Amino acid sequence: NAGVTQTPKFRVLKTGQSMTLLCAQDMNHEYMYWYRQDPGMGLRLIHYSVGEGTTAKGEVPDGYNVSRLKKQNFLLGLESAAPSQTSVYFCASSYSNSLGSSYNEQFFGPGTRLTVL
Amino acid sequence: SQKIEQNSEALNIQEGKTATLTCNYTNYSPAYLQWYRQDPGRGPVFLLLIRENEKEKRKERLKVTFDTTLKQSLFHITASQPADSATYLCALGTGGGNKLTFGTGTQLKVEL
Repeated sequence: NAGVTQTPKFRVLKTGQSMTLLCAQDMNHEYMYWYRQDPGMGLRLIHYSVGEGTTAKGEVPDGYNVSRLKKQNFLLGLESAAPSQTSVYFCASSYSNSLGSSYNEQFFGPGTRLTVL
Repeated sequence: SQKIEQNSEALNIQEGKTATLTCNYTNYSPAYLQWYRQDPGRGPVFLLLIRENEKEKRKERLKVTFDTTLKQSLFHITASQPADSATYLCALGTGGGNKLTFGTGTQLKVEL
């Protein structure tokens, strides 16, 4: 199993450009998440999904859009990149167990380092 | 306002000693708390989960406590080794869909 993979690993954008970050998981997890990590700020939740076809806003959703058309994929889009979106982006997935509990660990991808000039 | 605080300064300890990391929170009522390890340039890796009705959890050399009255969790690594050097993140379970809110992390350095 590859676990959680992220594409690309690095990217440099100019202000105003758009791009899509792809996250894929092969663990059949229901839940998927996008975080950004900045120095001194910790991991902050951008958007998340509790199932195929559903998405919801997290703590810092402005400037980002997401889609979950397939259970294994979660896409994060930047329509018009800004320097404030320079960050490391992590995708994660999690599951609910047979009792319906969602109090379970999250599995993280290796991250995408994005620089917006 | 809601806050999760971890030691902002790095913690340096000698090999073989017990490392104790602190996670304090305010204005949260988490159902559970998790600890993760993060190495430079990599994604966080899950270590332990403790629920609000549990006082203590152990896994090999790791121990976590959870005091909902003090609003604090302590994370202990016994017989620490240089390979334990990393940043440790605490995360509170704060809503449906297993949403987590993370602290900023504490950097641990274990010296020979």
